[in-house]
Amino acid sequence: LAKTTQPISMDSYEGQEVNITCSHNNIATNDYITWYQQFPSQGPRFIIQGYKTKVTNEVASLFIPADRKSSTLSLPRVSLSDTAVYYCLVGDGAYSGAGSYQLTFGKGTKLSVIP
Amino acid sequence: DAGVTQSPTHLIKTRGQQVTLRCSPKSGHDTVSWYQQALGQGPQFIFQYYEEEERQRGNFPDRFSGHQFPNYSSELNVNALLLGDSALYLCASSLAREDSTEAFFGQGTRLTVV
Repeated sequence: LAKTTQPISMDSYEGQEVNITCSHNNIATNDYITWYQQFPSQGPRFIIQGYKTKVTNEVASLFIPADRKSSTLSLPRVSLSDTAVYYCLVGDGAYSGAGSYQLTFGKGTKLSVIP
Repeated sequence: DAGVTQSPTHLIKTRGQQVTLRCSPKSGHDTVSWYQQALGQGPQFIFQYYEEEERQRGNFPDRFSGHQFPNYSSELNVNALLLGDSALYLCASSLAREDSTEAFFGQGTRLTVV
């Protein structure tokens, strides 16, 4: 499984754009890049998934360079409610054909939004 | 749609005992995965059930076992509890799809072993 490296923590002021970068040098050809958000005492919540270039949804954008060895999660105009741990996940790309992908979480990035 | 529901929410057990945790997946989902999350760590994959069979397993001992029922609900059983088994146990449901890594997590069961 490809290992991911992301900052342990980040601080941001309300209303700013936040970019969290994840390094995954050993990503396999078929691996997706996925980000999850987790609030204290809750289960993780899916944010976004991408394979290459840029993906955008109503919550965030995911930027993936051509070599796919890193990715950046971009959160526009964060608010206090965005304070959470953000996990970058990269799988082994091998879909078994039965069931879903196994998710491998690291320690994540603890984002603190300051008023 | 109630989403993923887990029961109980909290549980205290004595070392050496056995415990059963339960999970009802999101409506329409056919795959259930279980994760263990220690304090300050990310969730660790225990195993995944699809079509009532264990399909994938993480690095957990045989004391951890599970089951999936025909209605897709699932149970996680842990035997011979150790103090180190104290953690938040998360259930995640998903659709078996090759093009998606999206899973929906429950609120978890907080297990304390004393």
